[in-house]
Amino acid sequence: AQSVAQPEDQVNVAEGNPLTVKCTYSVSGNPYLFWYVQYPNRGLQFLLKYITGDNLVKGSYGFEAEFNKSQTSFHLKKPSALVSDSALYFCAVREGTTDSWGKLQFGAGTQVVVTP
Amino acid sequence: EAQVTQNPRYLITVTGKKLTVTCSQNMNHEYMSWYRQDPGLGLRQIYYSMNVEVTDKGDVPEGYKVSRKEKRNFPLILESPSPNQTSLYFCASSLGGYDYNEQFFGPGTRLTVL
Repeated sequence: AQSVAQPEDQVNVAEGNPLTVKCTYSVSGNPYLFWYVQYPNRGLQFLLKYITGDNLVKGSYGFEAEFNKSQTSFHLKKPSALVSDSALYFCAVREGTTDSWGKLQFGAGTQVVVTP
Repeated sequence: EAQVTQNPRYLITVTGKKLTVTCSQNMNHEYMSWYRQDPGLGLRQIYYSMNVEVTDKGDVPEGYKVSRKEKRNFPLILESPSPNQTSLYFCASSLGGYDYNEQFFGPGTRLTVL
């Protein structure tokens, strides 16, 4: 069974500083990893995904994520945070096995607060 | 506009009174799924559907039912709601189940069961 951990409930960062949101995962087979963002009173929006290939994945709004197989991590990063990046961020994993194709496991979420 | 719609957006009901939350997508997506969001627990998958007439349990299916009679609709049914089903519910869809496409989420339904 797959699982996802986001070790930080909240990340505080000043505008213009680098932003990192951590995610670690556990799967039996190959991991398929996603990041989603939820702005206040809104549904979730897709940011980026890792399926295979280059370990550094680039996504929407200037975000990127680095897949590290040895550390089973998929941390989300942004070189220079904006106040508008303040939101709730979710990491998610799918396990590509026959009996779990449809299952998607989300982490508990990390609240990002960017101060001016 | 490509979207996932949910109705109602807000619902207050009482224990035991059957209710249905509708979900519809206009993107011809094969895969649809229901989640509930609770503070500190993130999103937990309730049921998902790989295609018409194909549904399966997620992590928290107890107390819920679903059906997928047509591609665009995936209603969530609570036959006898209880207070522990008070939550924020999201419907999502993606192009195919047997691939790794991102999911598109609806705006959410906030349910309160008294």
